[in-house]
Amino acid sequence: QSVLTQPPSASGTPGQRFAISCSGSNSNIGRNTVNWYQQLPGTAPKLLIYSNNQRPSGVPDRFSGSKSGTSASLAISGLQSEDEADYYCAAWDDSLHGPVFGGGTKLTVL
Amino acid sequence: QVQLQESGPGLVKPSETLSLTCTVSGGSISNHYWNWIRQPPGKGLEWIGYIYYSGSTNYNPSLKSRGTISLDTSKKQFSLKLTSVTAADTAVYYCARAPLVPASMVWFDPWGQGTLVTVSS
Repeated sequence: QSVLTQPPSASGTPGQRFAISCSGSNSNIGRNTVNWYQQLPGTAPKLLIYSNNQRPSGVPDRFSGSKSGTSASLAISGLQSEDEADYYCAAWDDSLHGPVFGGGTKLTVL
Repeated sequence: QVQLQESGPGLVKPSETLSLTCTVSGGSISNHYWNWIRQPPGKGLEWIGYIYYSGSTNYNPSLKSRGTISLDTSKKQFSLKLTSVTAADTAVYYCARAPLVPASMVWFDPWGQGTLVTVSS
């Protein structure tokens, strides 16, 4: 059971705008910033969004992040087949004194 | 561009100690947190712990004190030892760098490619 809650799977069609949710509590998302990672099949996770809504260099601006209260969201505009991957949210947890992850959302592009 | 590479045995017997090393290339080992993260087959990510370049450490309480992370700045390597392993410790183990920012903001970038460690007799 992950500390942060994500839907285990989702699907969308090419060109669609899509969002993945991440729910936490006051000890993590409510007080700290949220990061998102993309894990393509058979590869290591890659930082996609940090500090709620910042994109590392090289990440397309189709990807955006937001946070409100104890929830966060990753949005993908203009969904592409190459976006098919697992997506994980993460945040520092003040109670556990360490970073925690969501269980991951497997995105399928139909 | 900083790159991280994990190395170590791919098979460990139950009750023994898992030992992995991460080699850092293309950048300084100073002023960063160096982390271990694992992913059991088909499951999500779990943070194991980190070491700061000064030597201070922080571990996931779920490991129940079985984990130790050490740093060799001269070799630009950091290592993980996990004692008394069981089948539940079977996972892909990743090393990852975190920037020197307040803990409340910490993120992981870049990651190593990962190495699968199987616990089995």
